[in-house]
Amino acid sequence: DIQMTQSPSSLSASVGDTITISCQASQDISTYVNWYQMKPGAAPKLLIYDASNLKIGVPSRFSGSGSGTDFTLTISSLQPEDFATYYCQQYENLLWGFTFGPGTKVDFK
Amino acid sequence: EVQLVESGGGLAQPGGSLRLSCAGSGFNFNNYAMSWLRLSPGKGLEWVSSVGGGGSGAYYADSVKGRFTIHRDNSKNTLFLQMDSLRGDDTAIYYCAKGLSYLDARHFEYWGQGSRVSVSS
Repeated sequence: DIQMTQSPSSLSASVGDTITISCQASQDISTYVNWYQMKPGAAPKLLIYDASNLKIGVPSRFSGSGSGTDFTLTISSLQPEDFATYYCQQYENLLWGFTFGPGTKVDFK
Repeated sequence: EVQLVESGGGLAQPGGSLRLSCAGSGFNFNNYAMSWLRLSPGKGLEWVSSVGGGGSGAYYADSVKGRFTIHRDNSKNTLFLQMDSLRGDDTAIYYCAKGLSYLDARHFEYWGQGSRVSVSS
């Protein structure tokens, strides 16, 4: 199985800050990573697919990068609606299943 | 607008069964792979199962293989998850999600708001 780790597990930030969330895979997964945003009571949202592609309709302050085992989600100029939990997901091989990182909770400083 | 609405969650006893439904609208349902995922405090976010647009090609996480069955009724734009032999660690919020294409279940493009399942005696 491919394991995904994320850091930090939580972070406190202010509106206008730029934050970076890291995700590491247990083996080389090329660019087979997506990033999601989750808020309590709301439908989760796909933000970034294939490591660096912004889903249509997602604000451009969100960006993703990385390949191999190390990936990053960056949110520039944090907005009030961005306080949420973020998850990375690998999809290297369906036969082995898809796995998510443990999540990074972003809250108000 | 794509909408996915889950239903059928609730309380079940260990060893019992539940069937979740997910009604899709705002897109050509039979043209897309669909998946179930779940979120629990103990295990975090977990992929459960996926099925291709035509209903074939079902895949399962090892944790549910042999106990859960995914299927779809494209005439009713509805996805199902039959959950049998339920265990306490199946307790979670269950989400359905739409894939990017007929066979592509790798990206969970749109999600429902979830249905809560609790397994307890």
